[in-house]
Amino acid sequence: SQQGEEDPQALSIQEGENATMNCSYKTSINNLQWYRQNSGRGLVHLILIRSNEREKHSGRLRVTLDTSKKSSSLLITASRAADTASYFCATDKDFGNEKLTFGTGTRLTIIP
Amino acid sequence: SQTIHQWPATLVQPVGSPLSLECTVEGTSNPNLYWYRQAAGRGLQLLFYSIGIDQISSEVPQNLSASRPQDRQFILSSKKLLLSDSGFYLCAWSRIAGGSDNEQFFGPGTRLTVL
Repeated sequence: SQQGEEDPQALSIQEGENATMNCSYKTSINNLQWYRQNSGRGLVHLILIRSNEREKHSGRLRVTLDTSKKSSSLLITASRAADTASYFCATDKDFGNEKLTFGTGTRLTIIP
Repeated sequence: SQTIHQWPATLVQPVGSPLSLECTVEGTSNPNLYWYRQAAGRGLQLLFYSIGIDQISSEVPQNLSASRPQDRQFILSSKKLLLSDSGFYLCAWSRIAGGSDNEQFFGPGTRLTVL
């Protein structure tokens, strides 16, 4: 398996429910980031959490990081139809590293 | 504010034909630049990245090459396309290395179909 794997691969929920996606990685990291991609579009950066942080919030997004388990979760509260997209986690290995390794993504569908 | 452009948005090319995809960034200087390929329903594969003019690192052996003739211009090329080169190509930039906030900003992508 590769650095940065999300699960589930696909998730469908009703509008208004909360959506939780998970990401696991293998090597030590400097930070972990979450991105969103609407179908056929480029990725958009959502949130970055550093290795010394455990939780971070941004609007309806909540990200947690457990470096002992090498895992992160992205929670979207009160989901909306517009949240339908693919969500990717990305990790870097070292401080100041230019490269990110992206996971395979979770396809989230919000049912109106 | 910074913007990143990619063109063309879509491209259909025959096997064996050449390829040139262009990416330009506005509103920043000395960016790190990246080319990714994304297969349908899959994650991103890093193809090339550049930390400066004429400084290109290749991540995977392949039929493609990249060039950075100007600070904010990144070009992906091929002399002869293969069927396996089909995919969604994304260009991205990030601030120069040295800080911990290395988030990347993506262009709209180019959908390449090789027939």
